[in-house]
Amino acid sequence: QVQLVESGGGVVQPGRSLRLSCAASGFTFSAYGMHWVRQAPGRGLEWVAIISYDGSNSLYADSVKGRFTISRDNSKSAVYLQMNSLRAEDTAVYYCVKVPFMRSTTGTGDFWGQGTLVTVSS
Amino acid sequence: DIQMTQSPSSLSASVGDRVTITCRASQVISNSLAWFQQRAGKAPKFLIYATSSLHSGVPSRFSGSGSGTDFTLTITTLQPEDFATYYCQQYDSYPPTFGQGTKVEIK
Repeated sequence: QVQLVESGGGVVQPGRSLRLSCAASGFTFSAYGMHWVRQAPGRGLEWVAIISYDGSNSLYADSVKGRFTISRDNSKSAVYLQMNSLRAEDTAVYYCVKVPFMRSTTGTGDFWGQGTLVTVSS
Repeated sequence: DIQMTQSPSSLSASVGDRVTITCRASQVISNSLAWFQQRAGKAPKFLIYATSSLHSGVPSRFSGSGSGTDFTLTITTLQPEDFATYYCQQYDSYPPTFGQGTKVEIK
């Protein structure tokens, strides 16, 4: 069965960096694009970034462009989110999400991890 | 960006009721509309994609319909496990955007 397990969240000061990881299993990781989606406490869902199945393409929300970088290591079945210059408004649960279709960069996702909480506070 | 507006924001219903949630896009989108269910403290679950296609394992009491800018999620015969928040999402164009959510509560 598909499993996505995020890690790397925590409390960080504004302006600092954090790297999130997502370990995937139960499917052919190298054939699927992956998203990061976040949810601020008590708020709705916000798409953050996508990386293509082979890592050759990525897209970002305007709110994180230039500060966050998505990457993947298909040999380790893992996707990452490097978050720099963090702001209070980046405080959220970050979810790793699998694209439903092979070799597609469609903007929705069928399986979600349990999420990892990032708190940006001084 | 395409804005997604759900209505109502919340509703109260009883087990066995039929529930309808609507989602309106700020511009015409193709059938690239998905629905998610999120129970309290849990990750969202994928219910429906391409407006009306049920994700594997999702009970048949869930259904989706619509076109253009107006879409609907219907739950027939509401079950106790269906009390949750529901989100629509357009993935017709980047960035993908979500509705603000509809909370289905027990009456």
